[in-house]
Amino acid sequence: GAGVSQSPSNKVTEKGKDVELRCDPISGHTALYWYRQSLGQGLEFLIYFQGNSAPDKSGLPSDRFSAERTGGSVSTLTIQRTQQEDSAVYLCASSLVPGYRDRGTDTQYFGPGTRLTVL
Amino acid sequence: GENVEQHPSTLSVQEGDSAVIKCTYSDSASNYFPWYKQELGKRPQLIIDIRSNVGEKKDQRIAVTLNKTAKHFSLHITETQPEDSAVYFCAASIGTGGFKTIFGAGTRLFVKA
Repeated sequence: GAGVSQSPSNKVTEKGKDVELRCDPISGHTALYWYRQSLGQGLEFLIYFQGNSAPDKSGLPSDRFSAERTGGSVSTLTIQRTQQEDSAVYLCASSLVPGYRDRGTDTQYFGPGTRLTVL
Repeated sequence: GENVEQHPSTLSVQEGDSAVIKCTYSDSASNYFPWYKQELGKRPQLIIDIRSNVGEKKDQRIAVTLNKTAKHFSLHITETQPEDSAVYFCAASIGTGGFKTIFGAGTRLFVKA
């Protein structure tokens, strides 16, 4: 079946502009994660959605960052008033049902990422 | 909050040798520890994971060990091959009240032919 998809694949914007990044998780996956990966760096947790529960926003670096997940499926990460330090690859991942002992339900499947460049 | 440290940041081995990557975590409530492999320009992919109720898990040339008391876990790759060259990330997450996952900074593994 189709994997996690993200759009756009590349986004170049000017400092101060707002951007929206989209993630389409694997159908049926209840959990969705956003990460940020700066060049040559690790994965920085941003936000996590699980079903209808309130999202875990503890990783969002500032109030310029927000995310929503509509209908338990598609998610949008919005960055307002972008800064040059926001330049990075933004990765989305989804998993089936985290927390169960069954094998495979915790596995996070990553999308290809959106490369954001803020000039 | 949870913090995951990973060492070394870079590792170079000869083809056929073993490679070991080590991680430590801070939150004793963490109970799930996946390892991801990221090849250049590609997305991370799960290679192996372990839960806190076991101490070791093996899948062909890859094994992971977990020491809950010391709060550290390790990835072992035996008989390394050039195609094992990639960046490897460890991670830790807590299975109750959410599943926030914290990743280590990554280890860049070079396997020399």
